[in-house]
Amino acid sequence: ETGVTQSPTHLIKTRGQQVTLRCSSQSGHNTVSWYQQALGQGPQFIFQYYREEENGRGNFPPRFSGLQFPNYSSELNVNALELDDSALYLCASSRDRLGEQYFGPGTRLTVT
Amino acid sequence: GESVGLHLPTLSVQEGDNSIINCAYSNSASDYFIWYKQESGKGPQFIIDIRSNMDKRQGQRVTVLLNKTVKHLSLQIAATQPGDSAVYFCAETSGRGSTLGRLYFGRGTQLTVWP
Repeated sequence: ETGVTQSPTHLIKTRGQQVTLRCSSQSGHNTVSWYQQALGQGPQFIFQYYREEENGRGNFPPRFSGLQFPNYSSELNVNALELDDSALYLCASSRDRLGEQYFGPGTRLTVT
Repeated sequence: GESVGLHLPTLSVQEGDNSIINCAYSNSASDYFIWYKQESGKGPQFIIDIRSNMDKRQGQRVTVLLNKTVKHLSLQIAATQPGDSAVYFCAETSGRGSTLGRLYFGRGTQLTVWP
């Protein structure tokens, strides 16, 4: 176990809805990175938060947004859900921006 | 561009045999490479890493080889066990520039170990 937790475990939403996913980082870690993993694919980088600021973003539209709190936990928000947003969403925490990333178990999002 | 790919999507081995999983990368600026293991229903788990100033690194039953000339990475698992059955990903990252700290993953290789 990495000490990184995510909630909820599974989620089913309808196209057009909004969703919020949560991640609690490992103790002592100030950086959280979010990844999207489609079925049969490797994780794709969404964005990273370092000390409550966005520190880099992958090729995802603005309807993907995030937040990091003073305790370094983080949220991923997705607006106007599309069918292609169905995936496993992973968060990873690290001691700093370059540190080893420890992954949580993920949230499985299904959009119908 | 920045991409990491794998040569084989599946690999089946007999218990006790050695396994070799290969990976190609295209970004010459990448200076840090990691192998992850992902079991069903779980997040990726760190196995071993290697920096670009090294050719080889060994861990417990695992060895990573890096060939920068041909941009190739491999993971060798000795005496493969049923518990090694999982999807294996290589990932690359850079410690500098605008992509600092981002991990780029390939598709993965499904390793199945038969008793």
